[in-house]
Amino acid sequence: AQSVTQLDSQVPVFEEAPVELRCNYSSSVSVYLFWYVQYPNQGLQLLLKYLSGSTLVKGINGFEAEFNKSQTSFHLRKPSVHISDTAEYFCAVSDYKLIFGSGTRLLVRP
Amino acid sequence: DAGVIQSPRHEVTEMGQEVTLRCKPISGHDYLFWYRQTMMRGLELLIYFNNNVPIDDSGMPEDRFSAKMPNASFSTLKIQPSEPRDSAVYFCASSLERGRPGNTEAFFGQGTRLTVV
Repeated sequence: AQSVTQLDSQVPVFEEAPVELRCNYSSSVSVYLFWYVQYPNQGLQLLLKYLSGSTLVKGINGFEAEFNKSQTSFHLRKPSVHISDTAEYFCAVSDYKLIFGSGTRLLVRP
Repeated sequence: DAGVIQSPRHEVTEMGQEVTLRCKPISGHDYLFWYRQTMMRGLELLIYFNNNVPIDDSGMPEDRFSAKMPNASFSTLKIQPSEPRDSAVYFCASSLERGRPGNTEAFFGQGTRLTVV
């Protein structure tokens, strides 16, 4: 069965600092991996996805993620965060259906 | 397209009452998903449909929950009778399969915040 582990429940960071949100997956088949963002009282919005090809994936709002098959990881990074990046971030693995991790709350402080 | 539309946005009901949540997927999408989000359990997949047919309902918590998709543009999630522990945000999402299943993003609605008192 597929599963996703997000190691950090909350990540506080100062504005303009870099950030990495960690995600590890478990799957017995080829995977599709996604990062979604959820702003308060909103639905989930796709940040980026890995389907195949280049292991470095660029998404919206300056985020990027790197697929590492040997470490079964798909960590999300941003070189310089803004206050507006404060939100909940979900890593997900997909076969026929999306299975989400428990989420990481990114808290950007001024 | 207006995106995935859910109604109502908020629902407050008394324990024992029937609750019906509604979802209109994006036109042309062939997969529809119902998720539940709580602080304790995170995002849980309840059920999903492909071409209006329920494919996997293993996430439906118990018989009090039921979901239907009578046509490609409408789905309902019903809880009867409702209990306080059903309080959560319920999301509907839809996607369009291109090639191998799962390789396209799911588009989420704004959710329905259900409170059972």
